[in-house]
Amino acid sequence: DVKVTQSSRYLVKRTGEKVFLECVQDMDHENMFWYRQDPGLGLRLIYFSYDVKMKEKGDIPEGYSVSREKKERFSLILESASTNQTSMYLCASSSITLGLDNSPLHFGNGTRLTVT
Amino acid sequence: GQSLEQPSEVTAVEGAIVQINCTYQTSGFYGLSWYQQHDGGAPTFLSYNALDGLEETGRFSSFLSRSDSYGYLLLQELQMKDSASYFCAAKGGGGNKLTFGTGTQLKVEL
Repeated sequence: DVKVTQSSRYLVKRTGEKVFLECVQDMDHENMFWYRQDPGLGLRLIYFSYDVKMKEKGDIPEGYSVSREKKERFSLILESASTNQTSMYLCASSSITLGLDNSPLHFGNGTRLTVT
Repeated sequence: GQSLEQPSEVTAVEGAIVQINCTYQTSGFYGLSWYQQHDGGAPTFLSYNALDGLEETGRFSSFLSRSDSYGYLLLQELQMKDSASYFCAAKGGGGNKLTFGTGTQLKVEL
C-alpha cells in the first residue's frame, strides 16, 4: 500500500514565521503535489513536482515555495506565514503518466495549519 | 485556466440512486477522475474516464462526454457510509497536473 506521510497533523504558527510542511512517500512516485483545502473552495493546487529539483506552479503559488531535494520528500514552505494561509494542507503523490493514462493520487492525512 | 463545477450538496435516502454532475473547462484535457473524502479523512480515488462513455466499478459508475465537457458519478444502492464529499478532478493543463472541483457533499438519510 502506498503511504504518504505528513510530518504534523496540527500546527499553530504566528504571523510572520517561516513554516515548513514536510511530506514523504514510500512508493518511488515521480509526481508529488501540495494542495490546500478550504470549505467551499475544494482542493486548490499550490505546487507540484514531477522529478527531483523540478517544480511547477499550481493555481495559487503566491506566498509559498517548495523544495524537492530527494525523490521521496516534498516540502512546502511558507516564507512569512499570514492568517489567510490558515488552512488544511494536503500532500499527494502519483506515478508519472503520459497522455490519457491515469495514475491515482495518493494523499496524506493532511496538516491543519493555524496562523495567529 | 482550469475550472470545474459541481453541486455543493446532494441529499438522498438509503437504497436510492444519486447522480453527481461535473462540468469542466480545462485546456489540454486528458481525463476526469472522481475522489471520495469522508469527514476528517484523506481523499481517495474512485474512478477515471479518459474516453466517452460509462465506467462501472461495483455500486459506483462514472460517465464522461468530452464533446459536452461533462461527466457524472452515479452511486447506486446508497448506504449510510456513502455520506461523504465527492470531488471531480480534471487531468490536463500541463502534464500530470490535476485540478479539483469544489466538491459535492452527499448526505444519505434513512
